[in-house]
Amino acid sequence: DAKTTQPPSMDCAEGRAANLPCNHSTISGNEYVYWYRQIHSQGPQYIIHGLKNNETNEMASLIITEDRKSSTLILPHATLRDTAVYYCIVRVIGGNEKLTFGTGTRLTIIP
Amino acid sequence: DAGVIQSPRHEVTEMGQEVTLRCKPISGHDYLFWYRQTMMRGLELLIYFNNNVPIDDSGMPEDRFSAKMPNASFSTLKIQPSEPRDSAVYFCASSPPGRKLFFGSGTQLSVL
Repeated sequence: DAKTTQPPSMDCAEGRAANLPCNHSTISGNEYVYWYRQIHSQGPQYIIHGLKNNETNEMASLIITEDRKSSTLILPHATLRDTAVYYCIVRVIGGNEKLTFGTGTRLTIIP
Repeated sequence: DAGVIQSPRHEVTEMGQEVTLRCKPISGHDYLFWYRQTMMRGLELLIYFNNNVPIDDSGMPEDRFSAKMPNASFSTLKIQPSEPRDSAVYFCASSPPGRKLFFGSGTQLSVL
């Protein structure tokens, strides 16, 4: 699986949009971009995933650049409960099912 | 559905003792994963199963660790003998093929 690079930490004011970047410059054509988050002492939680089109669900939006070498996870109206570590993961679908976590971005929402 | 169920939530044991961690995956999920999380190494995949068969155990640290999945609704991760460096949070996750993983609440293991 392709390696991803994320900033180690970020702050965001409560109520504002949180934009979390991820670089995956070596991504292959059959690899998806997945985002998970881990709230303190809980198991990781799936947020969203995409291949090349932008995606939106009830939790977040995922913007993938046209060359697919980077992406941004957007939490439109961050709340204190969004404080967590966010992991960007690249994963082949239909091949090896393993999900490899990096170090992620620790997002802190400031009241 | 109750989600992925792990037991116990907390385990404290002494060095040299056998430890068994348990996991009940979500019904209908074909894949089961065991992860370990420490401050130093983050989230590491230990092993995963497909239809009860181990597919990739390359993350299992050494022979003291073993995992089994006797049926579709139960898996165990055993450490024998345990050592202080095994102290970590152990997570179990399950998923349908090519889909998102659902994680359990984890087992906090402390080996004294």
